[in-house]
Amino acid sequence: ETGVTQSPTHLIKTRGQQVTLRCSSQSGHNTVSWYQQALGQGPQFIFQYYREEENGRGNFPPRFSGLQFPNYSSELNVNALELDDSALYLCASSVGGTTPTDTQYFGPGTRLTVL
Amino acid sequence: AQKVTQAQTEISVVEKEDVTLDCVYETRDTTYYLFWYKQPPSGELVFLIRRNSFDEQNEISGRYSWNFQKSTSSFNFTITASQVVDSAVYFCALSERKDRGSTLGRLYFGRGTQLTVWP
Repeated sequence: ETGVTQSPTHLIKTRGQQVTLRCSSQSGHNTVSWYQQALGQGPQFIFQYYREEENGRGNFPPRFSGLQFPNYSSELNVNALELDDSALYLCASSVGGTTPTDTQYFGPGTRLTVL
Repeated sequence: AQKVTQAQTEISVVEKEDVTLDCVYETRDTTYYLFWYKQPPSGELVFLIRRNSFDEQNEISGRYSWNFQKSTSSFNFTITASQVVDSAVYFCALSERKDRGSTLGRLYFGRGTQLTVWP
């Protein structure tokens, strides 16, 4: 186990609703990255937080937003949910975040279903 | 353009067979990092290996081995004497260093290879 935890495990929402997903990073890690994995696809980078600041963003609309807290845990918020948002959301933690050398360790994911 | 290509969508083998999972990457950076992750049915991505662009030595870890060849932009993964517990989706991933000192540890993943090992 990596020590990265995510909650909830599963979530069912309806179109137009808002959702908040949570992630606790591994002890000693100060960087959190979020990924979306659609069925049968590889994970796609949403954004990364380093020391409470957004440190880069993938090709996702502004309704995907995030936060990182002083204890380095993080939240992913998605507003105005769409059917295509149904996916496994993965959180990864690492040390540093300012170089690409840091190995990212993943949590078990949150399975979001939008009806 | 896809930065990481895993051409094999699914592979099936019988236990004790050797199997190689292919990974081809594309980058203009001279400094980059390559990774392999395993995703069992539970969904969690399990880190297997990280390789930097300056280290082309092949690596062996138990039944796992990795062949990194910059000349062909490939980073292939071989499982020797496969076991049923090896059944999972395997992802190859790339991380680049951005220019001007701004770096980001985002991972670019391939689409994954579903490996099924039959008893």
